[in-house]
Amino acid sequence: EVQLLESGGGLVQPGGSLRLSCAASGFTFSSSSMTWVRQAPGKGLEWVSTISGSGGTTYYADSVKGRFTISRDNSKNTLYLQMNSLRAEDTAIYYCAKSSNLDAWGQGSTVTVSS
Amino acid sequence: DVVMTQSPLSLPVTLGQPASISCRSSQSLVYSDGNTYLNWFQQRPGQSPRRLIYKVSNRDSGVPDRFSGSGSGTDFTLKISRVEAEDVGIYYCMQATHWPRTFGQGTKVEIK
Repeated sequence: EVQLLESGGGLVQPGGSLRLSCAASGFTFSSSSMTWVRQAPGKGLEWVSTISGSGGTTYYADSVKGRFTISRDNSKNTLYLQMNSLRAEDTAIYYCAKSSNLDAWGQGSTVTVSS
Repeated sequence: DVVMTQSPLSLPVTLGQPASISCRSSQSLVYSDGNTYLNWFQQRPGQSPRRLIYKVSNRDSGVPDRFSGSGSGTDFTLKISRVEAEDVGIYYCMQATHWPRTFGQGTKVEIK
């Protein structure tokens, strides 16, 4: 059974940084691209970033490009999202999902950007 | 960016009756490999989203057969043949053909 467990969320001031992690199990992690999707309070789903299985190719939404960095450690079966220069509009639940077709989702990690 | 437009945005349904959600894309979703990467997701209240349908019409494992997907090119539909109480939630279409990936606005299904 595929399991994805996000961690690292919390309250951060505008301009601050946070790193999210997603621990994966139940599938061959290194063979699967991975994706971050976020959902602002009361809003719909927004794709954030995708990384290839090797980590060699990455894609970003324009809204986070230059501020967020997706990465992975295949030896630890873990996906990361480094978030810098955080803004109030980055406040959301951040989900990690398996593959670029999002065939399995984690439970989400809440990020709140506020002073 | 490919714009995904869902309708209706709110769908009150009587238990046991059918429901249908439309999703239209601003560009064709046919990829160079011949596949059409249009997915449907369900988000029940207070839960993470889960994928129901991939590549237009393929049900994910464990998804009841009352859910079906159809369409081609730029015009797609999710149908629930007989709505049950557990189907309450928000349904999203998403295209995975083009970068960036984009979602529809979501359709809220509720029981009348």
